[in-house]
Amino acid sequence: SAVISQKPSRDICQRGTSLTIQCQVDSQVTMMFWYRQQPGQSLTLIATANQGSEATYESGFVIDKFPISRPNLTFSTLTVSNMSPEDSSIYLCSAIAGGQSGELFFGEGSRLTVL
Amino acid sequence: KQEVTQIPAALSVPEGENLVLNCSFTDSAIYNLQWFRQDPGKGLTSLLLIQSSQREQTSGRLNASLDKSSGRSTLYIAASQPGDSATYLCAVEGYNKLIFGAGTRLAVHP
Repeated sequence: SAVISQKPSRDICQRGTSLTIQCQVDSQVTMMFWYRQQPGQSLTLIATANQGSEATYESGFVIDKFPISRPNLTFSTLTVSNMSPEDSSIYLCSAIAGGQSGELFFGEGSRLTVL
Repeated sequence: KQEVTQIPAALSVPEGENLVLNCSFTDSAIYNLQWFRQDPGKGLTSLLLIQSSQREQTSGRLNASLDKSSGRSTLYIAASQPGDSATYLCAVEGYNKLIFGAGTRLAVHP
């Protein structure tokens, strides 16, 4: 298995500001993923973050709004830019653990509230 | 486009009952299917992973089956307990991404 740590665990932000969420994995992983879970809904994939290349964004998500960094095999960041109340969600980082065939592990999530 | 549906959306049962949660998906070209548990305000905990070549996986009181050809999976929970109360999500992996269902919200009351 993999242990994934995210911070901040929660934050209250002002409209128009940006916030960076950090994700740390306790082992080297090839693929990391960022998901959004809006209130009362399931998870939606934002992007796939691979080390050494640009993140791959899903339909409806763009790099200018959600820039992602992946400097090494254990760490990634997601920035939510120019926030509006519609960005209030839980943002979850996940990774496929090495040695496990496709099993996905999640961090505890970062709950953002935008006022 | 892969779509994942979970039925029922919510379930409330007395302690001790055996439960079946259902998951269906529209594209059978999947690599695996995974069941997760999510407690309120928390991240996801992986419960069971079924590879596309497998038919079922078991862990303790949990048993998950997969029928890829019909696009269905079931999660069986035996002898339910109040601690099983959570939202249960299924997700299918294809083309390097996981697509999630909306979840089944389970409440087990004493």
